[in-house]
Amino acid sequence: SQTIHQWPATLVQPVGSPLSLECTVEGTSNPNLYWYRQAAGRGLQLLFYSVGIGQISSEVPQNLSASRPQDRQFILSSKKLLLSDSGFYLCAWSVGSAAYGYTFGSGTRLTVV
Amino acid sequence: AQSVAQPEDQVNVAEGNPLTVKCTYSVSGNPYLFWYVQYPNRGLQFLLKYITGDNLVKGSYGFEAEFNKSQTSFHLKKPSALVSDSALYFCAVRGYNDYKLSFGAGTTVTVRA
Repeated sequence: SQTIHQWPATLVQPVGSPLSLECTVEGTSNPNLYWYRQAAGRGLQLLFYSVGIGQISSEVPQNLSASRPQDRQFILSSKKLLLSDSGFYLCAWSVGSAAYGYTFGSGTRLTVV
Repeated sequence: AQSVAQPEDQVNVAEGNPLTVKCTYSVSGNPYLFWYVQYPNRGLQFLLKYITGDNLVKGSYGFEAEFNKSQTSFHLKKPSALVSDSALYFCAVRGYNDYKLSFGAGTTVTVRA
């Protein structure tokens, strides 16, 4: 069966420090991968998505970047965190067909102090 | 472009009463529609989806949703709400050949005992 792992679950980082959040998927090949941010427990903002290794699409300009070094690994990074980067970060995967929705990871609560 | 509207930020019901969470959508072509639920500090969990066929879709935890093409709606329903149904609910739509789900802003459901 397919599973998605996201870590860490919580993270407190000082302003200006680097960030690396990792997401891995098991049990499937060539998934579409997504990073979302959720602010204040409400709406989901799509940050990045990837349809293949090394293929990253950015939805909004920001202080973050994403990479996909392996088929089932998706990494969200920042060189210098801002206070406004605080939020709940969710990774998700799907297969190509529109008949399938997303499967979400358990999320990372990031607090920038 | 595809979009989803959830017109109610909050829905409050008494336990045992019917629960309805509203959703309307806009998409080119046939829609693929989804409902997700999120509990505090958790990832989104899949509830149900409409792909084709019967307009009434049954999902997890006693939830169902009715697809109405003429009204472009996909309202989530539960005949008898439980206190444990209190959570944040998201409606989402995906168009054919589209990599991305578009999410509504979410509706917070509170079921009082």
